[in-house]
Amino acid sequence: DVKVTQSSRYLVKRTGEKVFLECVQDMDHENMFWYRQDPGLGLRLIYFSYDVKMKEKGDIPEGYSVSREKKERFSLILESASTNQTSMYLCATVRGTGNTIYFGEGSWLTVV
Amino acid sequence: AQSVTQPDIHITVSEGASLELRCNYSYGATPYLFWYVQSPGQGLQLLLKYFSGDTLVQGIKGFEAEFKRSQSSFNLRKPSVHWSDAAEYFCAVGARTGGFKTIFGAGTRLFVKA
Repeated sequence: DVKVTQSSRYLVKRTGEKVFLECVQDMDHENMFWYRQDPGLGLRLIYFSYDVKMKEKGDIPEGYSVSREKKERFSLILESASTNQTSMYLCATVRGTGNTIYFGEGSWLTVV
Repeated sequence: AQSVTQPDIHITVSEGASLELRCNYSYGATPYLFWYVQSPGQGLQLLLKYFSGDTLVQGIKGFEAEFKRSQSSFNLRKPSVHWSDAAEYFCAVGARTGGFKTIFGAGTRLFVKA
């Protein structure tokens, strides 16, 4: 059974803190994504990675960075959390164009 | 610009009634088309996808969707809704060539009443 694991399901952080969201997949997929989900806005792509150490900006990269040191792990970093980054964050993987995207269960982040 | 529109933010249907969720897209060429479902507090799961061929696509949990090129639509249907279908549904489009970026609609939340 395929698995995308987001280790932190619920986090509460203070404004200005550095936040790490971790995602691990066991499907040997090259491509990994971080999305942000907000009511009425659907899923918006923050960053994606198509190989180890490779990354590309999505639609809303401001205030975020990512790290992909190993194929199975893709981390999202909020360098200095702000209240407008309170959201649900979804990690996803896909093998290639047109294939099924597999999602993690999401990380609910609240910044106070 | 590429976009996906789900006109209905939320829909309420009675258990046993039929369901249709609307999806329209704007894309340079015919993209890959997907419907995903998200149960409360969970990630998204693929319901069905269209690549080519028969424009009526069957998916899991009794769902189907029809691709209509002339209307740039990919509406999701189910003949008889069950209470467990209450969830949020996302339509998505993906490029056929040159990348794998997928664009999602804003979602339609389905409520099922007894």
